[in-house]
Amino acid sequence: TQLLEQSPQFLSIQEGENLTVYCNSSSVFSSLQWYRQEPGEGPVLLVTVVTGGEVKKLKRLTFQFGDARKDSSLHITAAQTGDTGLYLCAGPSSRTYKYIFGTGTRLKVLA
Amino acid sequence: DVKVTQSSRYLVKRTGEKVFLECVQDMDHENMFWYRQDPGLGLRLIYFSYDVKMKEKGDIPEGYSVSREKKERFSLILESASTNQTSMYLCASSFRGRVETQYFGPGTRLLVL
Repeated sequence: TQLLEQSPQFLSIQEGENLTVYCNSSSVFSSLQWYRQEPGEGPVLLVTVVTGGEVKKLKRLTFQFGDARKDSSLHITAAQTGDTGLYLCAGPSSRTYKYIFGTGTRLKVLA
Repeated sequence: DVKVTQSSRYLVKRTGEKVFLECVQDMDHENMFWYRQDPGLGLRLIYFSYDVKMKEKGDIPEGYSVSREKKERFSLILESASTNQTSMYLCASSFRGRVETQYFGPGTRLLVL
C-alpha cells in the first residue's frame, strides 16, 4: 500500500521565520504534488515535481523532490500570515487513477 | 480558469434522509473524484469516475453511491444519511494523464443530525 506521511502535523511560527515541511513514503512515486488549503475552501495546487532531485521555487516557497522519488519537502522562507493553511502532498497511485494524499501539515503564521 | 462547483457550501440533514451532493466541472476532464475530509484523517477517497457512466470504489464507499450521466457532472448520494457521515465533502476533477493536476471544488460541509 502506498502511503504518504507528512511532518510535522502542526506548526505555529512567527511571521518572518523559516520552516520546512516534509512528505515521506517508502514507495516510489512518479510525481508529487503540493496543495494548500485555506479554511472553508478546497485544496489549491501549488506545484508538481516530476524528476528525482528536482527543485522548484514559487516566490518564497521552495519544493524539492528526493533523488529516489520517495520524499519531498516544502521550505518557506520568511513566512507571512498569508501562508497560514493546511499543506497537503499527493501522488498518483501506481495502479489506478487514484491519488494518494498525505495527512497534511497545518501551518499557522502569527503576526 | 478551471472551475469546479459544488451545489451547496453547507447542508444540514436528518438521520435517514437521502442526500444528493452535486459537482460540476467546466474543463472537459475525464476523471472526477469524491473525497471526504475529517480532522486527523486527511482526504479519503469515496468514489471516482474515469468516464461517463464509469465508476470505481475508493477507500470508503460504504453508505455512498455515485452517478455520472454526463461528463461534466458527478453526483454523490448518501442513501440514508447517518451521523457518522457528518464531514466536509470535496469534489475534484482532472485529465486522465499520470501527472495531472486535480482541481478541487470549494467543498460541502454536511451536518447530519
